[in-house]
Amino acid sequence: DAGVTQSPTHLIKTRGQQVTLRCSPKSGHDTVSWYQQALGQGPQFIFQYYEEEERQRGNFPDRFSGHQFPNYSSELNVNALLLGDSALYLCASSSGLTNHNEQFFGPGTRLTVL
Amino acid sequence: AQKITQTQPGMFVQEKEAVTLDCTYDTSDQSYGLFWYKQPSSGEMIFLIYQGSYDEQNATEGRYSLNFQKARKSANLVISASQLGDSAMYFCAMRVVPGGTSYGKLTFGQGTILTVHP
Repeated sequence: DAGVTQSPTHLIKTRGQQVTLRCSPKSGHDTVSWYQQALGQGPQFIFQYYEEEERQRGNFPDRFSGHQFPNYSSELNVNALLLGDSALYLCASSSGLTNHNEQFFGPGTRLTVL
Repeated sequence: AQKITQTQPGMFVQEKEAVTLDCTYDTSDQSYGLFWYKQPSSGEMIFLIYQGSYDEQNATEGRYSLNFQKARKSANLVISASQLGDSAMYFCAMRVVPGGTSYGKLTFGQGTILTVHP
């Protein structure tokens, strides 16, 4: 049973560029959340998708956008990249039917903005 | 708003000894869950243990136990019989469950780096 997968593993971009990160949830999960983790910090919630809609959003600018596909996979898009966007981006999946449980995290995409 | 505080930036423990990692939280919600995650240098967040706000018993998962003191709003992680492979960053997190549904975001603390010495 495959867990949460993310691609790419590493990415290097320059300021002003746009980037798309991808996530496939664990089998049986229908909810995907994205987190940004700056070096030495705890992850910060970006947004969550369920049934192809953004259900909850953290304190991130509109440059951060996302999408969820019918197969529950998800993309995170960041426009007009800034140096401060350099971070580990984590995707987590969960089931909308369960009432507690952990969110299963993927290995992350490490984004470097030069 | 929810807040998680981990006051120990780093902790050291001798192999085979027990260690406690501190976590305090702040929320006005009555229904919430508390989580501990382990993050090795590879970056992946590994779920360790969960405690619901209405659970009367402290959660245990193998060598991990959660010392839940609701009145003090603390949820400390206890690792027994430490192993060299336990060296990693540890995060405490909380999820408020709005309206009884399952989709609350996780709010993380700043983390504690644990180093296990042989």
